Amino acid sequence: AQSVSQHNHHVILSEAASLELGCNYSYGGTVNLFWYVQYPGQHLQLLLKYFSGDPLVKGIKGFEAEFIKSKFSFNLRKPSVQWSDTAEYFCAVDSYGGSQGNLIFGKGTKLSVKP
Amino acid sequence: DTAVSQTPKYLVTQMGNDKSIKCEQNLGHDTMYWYKQDSKKFLKIMFSYNNKELIINETVPNRFSPKSPDKAHLNLHINSLELGDSAVYFCASTLTGQEPNYGYTFGSGTRLTVV
Repeated sequence: AQSVSQHNHHVILSEAASLELGCNYSYGGTVNLFWYVQYPGQHLQLLLKYFSGDPLVKGIKGFEAEFIKSKFSFNLRKPSVQWSDTAEYFCAVDSYGGSQGNLIFGKGTKLSVKP
Repeated sequence: DTAVSQTPKYLVTQMGNDKSIKCEQNLGHDTMYWYKQDSKKFLKIMFSYNNKELIINETVPNRFSPKSPDKAHLNLHINSLELGDSAVYFCASTLTGQEPNYGYTFGSGTRLTVV
C-alpha cells in the first residue's frame, strides 16, 4: 500500500534558521506530490505541488521542495524561517497521478519557531 | 465566496446521538472527499465521491454514511456517535485530470466533540 513518511515529528528552530523537513513516499507509479501547511486552529493550505518538469518546486511564503525520484523523496526547505511559520506541515502524495485522486498524507511535522 | 464550505464549524454532542456535517463547493470540481484528523493531527481519508458516485470507502464504521445529492455537495451523517469519533473532519474537492491546475481545496474543518 502507498504510504508517506515524515521523519521529524517536532522541529524547533530559532528565527532566521534554515529549515528542511523530510518526506519519503512508497509508491512505484506516477505520483503527484504536495506540501500543505496548517496554522494553529486553521484548515489546510497548499504550500506547493509537483506534477512534472523541474524537480525543484517553488511555493508560497518562500518555501521550496525538491523531488528526488531515485530517493522517493520530496523534502521541504526554507532558507530563513520566521515566527509566523510556526505550524503543522503535511507532505502528501496522490498515487493515482491525477486521474482519480487519492491524497495520502504523512503524519505531519510540527514546526515551532522561537522569536 | 468560500470555495469549500463546511457546516457547522463546531459540533458538540452526546454519545449515541446522530449528527450530520455538510459540505459544499462552488469550484466546479467533480470529486469530493471527507478526511478525519485525529487528536495527533493525523489526516486519513474516509470517503471520496466522483460525480455523485462513491469511489473510495476506506475502513470506516458503517455508522458513517456519506451522501452526495449532486457533485457540489457531499454530506456526512454519523449515527450513534462514540467518544472516539471526536476529531476534526475536513471536506476537500478537486477536478480530476486537469493539470496543471490540478490540486485539492480543503474546507475549514468541522471540530466534532462527543461527550
